[in-house]
Amino acid sequence: SYELTQAPSVSVAPGQTASITCSGDGMGEKFAYWYQQKPGQSPVLVIYQDTKRPSGIPERFSGSNSGNTATLTISGTQVMDEADYYCQAWHISTVIFGGGTKLTVL
Amino acid sequence: QVHLVESGGGVVQPGGSLRLSCVASGFTLNNYGMHWVRQAPGKGLEWVAVISYDGSEKKYAESVKGRISISRDNSQSAVYLQMNSLRREDTAMYYCAKDGVFLIAEYYFDHWGPGTLVTVSS
Repeated sequence: SYELTQAPSVSVAPGQTASITCSGDGMGEKFAYWYQQKPGQSPVLVIYQDTKRPSGIPERFSGSNSGNTATLTISGTQVMDEADYYCQAWHISTVIFGGGTKLTVL
Repeated sequence: QVHLVESGGGVVQPGGSLRLSCVASGFTLNNYGMHWVRQAPGKGLEWVAVISYDGSEKKYAESVKGRISISRDNSQSAVYLQMNSLRREDTAMYYCAKDGVFLIAEYYFDHWGPGTLVTVSS
């Protein structure tokens, strides 16, 4: 079965750039999607179709996808960005989520 | 403004059944595929099922196939998840989510409800 692999945790200092990766076989040939989930809240879509930001998502969130890895980049990370981040792809009419990465801003 | 509200969760014994509902507002429901996604306590996200905009196509995760059924009533602006033969491992927050693409489902989720908690326990 198809799997997406994310690092369990990433730490970043406020104002610095955070990179969260999502690896899967041939990931660059699929669209990558990214969700942010804060404790006790529902997930929020932050990147779709590899690089696009939904309305209302700050410009500091960006995405890329090539080879076997999709990357979510947060430039000028703010304390409010501390959350779990999940990547997602579509494979043979089923949805696959990565295991999630806990971003700590300290 | 898109609004999704789930209901129907609760505590059920193993082997029991439950029907979840999701009421949608702020958009034309019959133009979008709709999904259910679940999250076990302290765990990650798991997609459960999708139904096409007109209800003609349905797909399920392998883990629930044969036990769970998705349906919709566009006239009531609602989507449902009928859950049978429930197992302890079905314990999770169940989210209703709108597909991000008009008519043709692209299997991503641009709006989520607050979720409804299902607990399978004796």
